[in-house]
Amino acid sequence: RKEVEQDPGPFNVPEGATVAFNCTYSNSASQSFFWYRQDCRKEPKLLMSVYSSGNEDGRFTAQLNRASQYISLLIRDSKLSDSATYLCVVKGERGDMRFGAGTRLTVKP
Amino acid sequence: GAGVSQSPSNKVTEKGKDVELRCDPISGHTALYWYRQSLGQGLEFLIYFQGNSAPDKSGLPSDRFSAERTGGSVSTLTIQRTQQEDSAVYLCASSLVGGGAKNIQYFGAGTRLSVL
Repeated sequence: RKEVEQDPGPFNVPEGATVAFNCTYSNSASQSFFWYRQDCRKEPKLLMSVYSSGNEDGRFTAQLNRASQYISLLIRDSKLSDSATYLCVVKGERGDMRFGAGTRLTVKP
Repeated sequence: GAGVSQSPSNKVTEKGKDVELRCDPISGHTALYWYRQSLGQGLEFLIYFQGNSAPDKSGLPSDRFSAERTGGSVSTLTIQRTQQEDSAVYLCASSLVGGGAKNIQYFGAGTRLSVL
């Protein structure tokens, strides 16, 4: 089993749609959680950290369920510019960071 | 510079040759990571350096791969006797160490390796 697993996608949604991505992790000792965004042929960049109480940044909402070892990302009112691959990242107890394979999102006009 | 710098940006080599990829992390970042990303795939963890601790080499795919970090700063990833399946983008990231925002990784633009 992979350490971090994500919905494979692709997700193709119209502008203005709400879309949700899921991620599960296998190491219960994992300490920190993030969502990164990667545009085509570019390096990954941090989208947002994921806090235990859930957190929101504009149209983006991240949630963490430690008991189920599950992380989610919700994007509301999708924009064309949201088209990218979204990577779930989990930090282990040794400080190592493990990435999911990513979920590709395409927002269409 | 202010960001993570990787060189070369592109490297074309012949099967069987050795290659060295360089990463210059953000100044002050004690954690440094190497990843490999094949076309259309996710990031594959290779190796992780943190301060003076022994590196976590658990992701290195074979003994042809090795990495060093000299003086706690610049890192070099070496691939010996390259194979065609080594062709990928090799990404380096650095971060502070600690909780919260200190965990945020900043990535270099990567080295695109093509083995002919």
